[in-house]
Amino acid sequence: SVLTQPPSVSGAPGQTITISCTGSDSNIGTGHHVHWYQQFPGRAPKLLIYADNTRPSGVPDRISASKSGTSASLDISGLQAEDEADYYCQSFDTALGGSYVFGTGTKVTVL
Amino acid sequence: EVKLLQSGGGFAQPGESLRLSCAGSGFSFSTYAMTWVRQAPGKGLEWVSCISGGGADRYYADSVKGRFTVSRDNSKNILYLDMNSLRADDTAVYFCGKDWSSSPWGYLESWGQGAPVTVSA
Repeated sequence: SVLTQPPSVSGAPGQTITISCTGSDSNIGTGHHVHWYQQFPGRAPKLLIYADNTRPSGVPDRISASKSGTSASLDISGLQAEDEADYYCQSFDTALGGSYVFGTGTKVTVL
Repeated sequence: EVKLLQSGGGFAQPGESLRLSCAGSGFSFSTYAMTWVRQAPGKGLEWVSCISGGGADRYYADSVKGRFTVSRDNSKNILYLDMNSLRADDTAVYFCGKDWSSSPWGYLESWGQGAPVTVSA
């Protein structure tokens, strides 16, 4: 993966956590959008954020995201037990003719 | 409601072939690019291939180029992934995804349920 995320992040219920996504000048740094997905074990990923900071219908507003330079971040406030899942960032990389690129993934644990 | 129903996959020996299918419903299938993503056991997501809405433009990850072929039948609303010369490192759950537009390189709005592929001697 060319997008680097922390392997795990944890927090107590009600707290705010942040997941980082670090890219490079061939992907996030060129201005390409960053998108975020949530995945529960044994399930398909679900779109959580698109175009850097836009929530699809049905995603609660305690989920937010931002992008700056070659990095992006996902914030989950008011952490709930149901937020325990894997999270992936995704962008487009211009190297080698172009490709989707995903982050390494972050396991969120609610303590 | 957008639905992507996957079929195919299963078990293959190294060097053999398998075909995955992804049937779309609830949207204008030919209007959207479609993408295949895989996830090896215990690993993260890896992009495999994508195809434009009309089917003219196809793209592949280096890891599958020359071995996998993506295609679509817009008259039947079905996306395919033909996997040849399978290797052990192709073992993964394969997901199909609906792109946000007719051209790929955006984001995946909806995903299929996944189809496991196991390659082993």
